[in-house]
Amino acid sequence: DIVMTQTPLSLSVTPGQPASISCKSSQSLLHSDGKTHLYWYLQKPGQPPQLLIYEVSNRFSGVPDRISGSGSGTDFTLKISRVEAEDVGVYYCMQSIQLPALTFGGGTKVEIK
Amino acid sequence: EVQLVESGGGLVQPGGSLKLSCAASGFTFSGSAMHWVRQASGKGLEWVGRIRSKVNNYATAYAASVKGRFTISRDDSKNMVYLQMNSLKTDDTAVYYCVRGGDFDYWGQGTLVTVSS
Repeated sequence: DIVMTQTPLSLSVTPGQPASISCKSSQSLLHSDGKTHLYWYLQKPGQPPQLLIYEVSNRFSGVPDRISGSGSGTDFTLKISRVEAEDVGVYYCMQSIQLPALTFGGGTKVEIK
Repeated sequence: EVQLVESGGGLVQPGGSLKLSCAASGFTFSGSAMHWVRQASGKGLEWVGRIRSKVNNYATAYAASVKGRFTISRDDSKNMVYLQMNSLKTDDTAVYYCVRGGDFDYWGQGTLVTVSS
């Protein structure tokens, strides 16, 4: 099974400052279809996870452009250029290359200073 | 608008059974695989299982932790997917989400299952 490792475990950020979360997979997420099956979600308190980024760097509908994803192979990064109060929650990366099973990173909790 | 609405959660004793439902709307349900993902309180996300579409013979797959105890089914005429949970253990206590497969873009609000005596 593919293991997804996120760092850091938590992040405390001053509003307006940047934030970065790392996600490493134990195997390459590059599929023979040419796509890299890496997703990012944000779970706000009391809510289900909401999709932010799909296939490494594509923003889902309604996601602001201050949130971006990058990476390739086994190393991926989610960046928030200027953290706002609405960004608080737990961020998860997820892989879908090894379908049917999905595996998730352990989560990174982001809070505002 | 895509919507997924889970129901059927509740309190059940260890060894008991429960059937969760997920009502889908706003997309071509019959053509979509559907997944179940769970989350214990204060913990991360765990994939439970998946059912594919009719063209893929409604193939199912399960996490090792639930295989042999949980069964996923669907009714395309009603746009519904189900999770039958048998021989429940205290470790199965979690919020259960249904998730649209393919793009993994939409999740339901979740339904809480509590396994306790």
